[in-house]
Amino acid sequence: GAGVSQTPSNKVTEKGKYVELRCDPISGHTALYWYRQSLGQGPEFLIYFQGTGAADDSGLPNDRFFAVRPEGSVSTLKIQRTERGDSAVYLCASSLWENTEAFFGQGTRLTVV
Amino acid sequence: AQSVTQLGSHVSVSEGALVLLRCNYSSSVPPYLFWYVQYPNQGLQLLLKYTSAATLVKGINGFEAEFKKSETSFHLTKPSAHMSDAAEYFCAVRGGDSGGSNYKLTFGKGTLLTVNP
Repeated sequence: GAGVSQTPSNKVTEKGKYVELRCDPISGHTALYWYRQSLGQGPEFLIYFQGTGAADDSGLPNDRFFAVRPEGSVSTLKIQRTERGDSAVYLCASSLWENTEAFFGQGTRLTVV
Repeated sequence: AQSVTQLGSHVSVSEGALVLLRCNYSSSVPPYLFWYVQYPNQGLQLLLKYTSAATLVKGINGFEAEFKKSETSFHLTKPSAHMSDAAEYFCAVRGGDSGGSNYKLTFGKGTLLTVNP
């Protein structure tokens, strides 16, 4: 596609459940990023992939959060044992290289009830 | 660590009036600076960026921003507001000192702009 695509656009889950959020970056972009935007806040960095490897996962809040990018394209953010505090919009972005313009997807709104 | 302060979580202007959204950053080494716009239920769209070339940066939709090193500021302006400018605006930094990286964006909390007819 022409832009970064994220699915689903909305996800409602029960506390304690496992969720997966998917990101399809722009074709050819080597760098991929996940950010989390809580209500009333700016996006906060979670993790950065260069190719298949997570070059920086310092923003992941705890070990319930994990992300993969096995073939260097699509990425999945995985959250185990969801908590109500995980409710937020999860944004994915990609860029051609690490210091070039990042293009953002529309986000996945996660609601934990 | 890098930080970005956006003064005013909500700015309201009349259509045709000047838009001024404030952004200050914390870094003794000038970082790369960005303004993004977010329309309801949409992702972030880049308005403009400062990358150490010209201090006055022109962006899309008639917006511009001026980098002032002495004030560590990067305020966003538009001479005449349109109804379609109503959105949330985020200032962000990348790089600079204090462990800034070439890839990680640090965002401010955002400013919601409303435009009254």
